Amino acid sequence: DAGITQSPRHKVTETGTPVTLRCHQTENHRYMYWYRQDPGHGLRLIHYSYGVKDTDKGEVSDGYSVSRSKTEDFLLTLESATSSQTSVYFCAISELDTIYFGEGSWLTVV
Amino acid sequence: AQSVSQHNHHVILSEAASLELGCNYSYGGTVNLFWYVQYPGQHLQLLLKYFSGDPLVKGIKGFEAEFIKSKFSFNLRKPSVQWSDTAEYFCAVREKGTYKYIFGTGTRLKVLA
Repeated sequence: DAGITQSPRHKVTETGTPVTLRCHQTENHRYMYWYRQDPGHGLRLIHYSYGVKDTDKGEVSDGYSVSRSKTEDFLLTLESATSSQTSVYFCAISELDTIYFGEGSWLTVV
Repeated sequence: AQSVSQHNHHVILSEAASLELGCNYSYGGTVNLFWYVQYPGQHLQLLLKYFSGDPLVKGIKGFEAEFIKSKFSFNLRKPSVQWSDTAEYFCAVREKGTYKYIFGTGTRLKVLA
């Protein structure tokens, strides 16, 4: 257990609405990540953070923004959700050069 | 850009059969290598990892993997699979000196009882 909590775990939203997913960790890890998982694509990195207010883009960052105002929280925002953003979103942390995942957030955009 | 290839997308085996799942990466520098398993409806869990030293690494649940630097490969093996090994398996790479982890597209393994 990497001490990661994702919320919400399941959400259905309408196209064009903003959505924020929250990742909370309790063990003061410096590095945090957001991935999305889709059939046939595996896990793709959206954004990651290497400290408070320090973030960088991953391979599929278009349409997503992130914020990290506290060490323990890493927020992923879909500014205007689209159906192509229907996916399972996993938050992760890096500890001792190994990545560990949260339970996932299932997002459906209708 | 660095990439990870898993050529077997779906594998079906009978119980007690041997398993080998392929993983190749494109980065030429020093890397850390990982295999993760995802059981249906669950998150990814670490099976094993290679950082340095003995290229044959042993993980949990009887899995092992061999790093062959000349082939840029890190194949996962298990001598005798069980029905409970039915899951999706992901290979991942981290470039040394960075904190970006790149994943393959996964291999779905189904083990028939």
